[in-house]
Amino acid sequence: AQRVTQPEKLLSVFKGAPVELKCNYSYSGSPELFWYVQYSRQRLQLLLRHISRESIKGFTADLNKGETSFHLKKPFAQEEDSAMYYCARGETSGSRLTFGEGTQLTVNP
Amino acid sequence: SQTIHQWPATLVQPVGSPLSLECTVEGTSNPNLYWYRQAAGRGLQLLFYSVGIGQISSEVPQNLSASRPQDRQFILSSKKLLLSDSGFYLCAWSRATSGNTIYFGEGSWLTVV
Repeated sequence: AQRVTQPEKLLSVFKGAPVELKCNYSYSGSPELFWYVQYSRQRLQLLLRHISRESIKGFTADLNKGETSFHLKKPFAQEEDSAMYYCARGETSGSRLTFGEGTQLTVNP
Repeated sequence: SQTIHQWPATLVQPVGSPLSLECTVEGTSNPNLYWYRQAAGRGLQLLFYSVGIGQISSEVPQNLSASRPQDRQFILSSKKLLLSDSGFYLCAWSRATSGNTIYFGEGSWLTVV
């Protein structure tokens, strides 16, 4: 079975500090990796996907196949980044996603 | 544009009572549909997914069932709720033909008492 591991359930940083949310995935097939975010009182939504190679709200994530990681990074955290973040993997063939357990990020003023 | 609606938003049910959570998608045809449960400390757990009318796959053995009576309607049910069924349930959809991006509903809080 596919697995996604987010080792940190809680992560707290100060505003302006760099932040990295870790994600590791089980190695098999041709994975497609995603980060989803859930802000307080909002629905879970897509933040970014690795095939797009884009930066969303200052966040980036690079797929490292050697380390089977897809860590989410932002150089300067903002208070509005406080949210629950989920890493997820699917297959490029179009199967369903497997989610990690999530990391609750708190950015303190 | 596509939208997903899920209801009820909040539900308090006694143990042993039935359950029905409903989800509908608008603005697309033949979507893949999903039911997830979001539990504290356990992340997002896929319960059921469907690639078409009447086609339901169950991911984990449990007290719940799902049905897809129409193309854009997905229903989560139970005949007799257990305390352990309490949680936050999310309906979601994705396009069948173009990648894995999943779009979530607003969720339903179920408390079994």
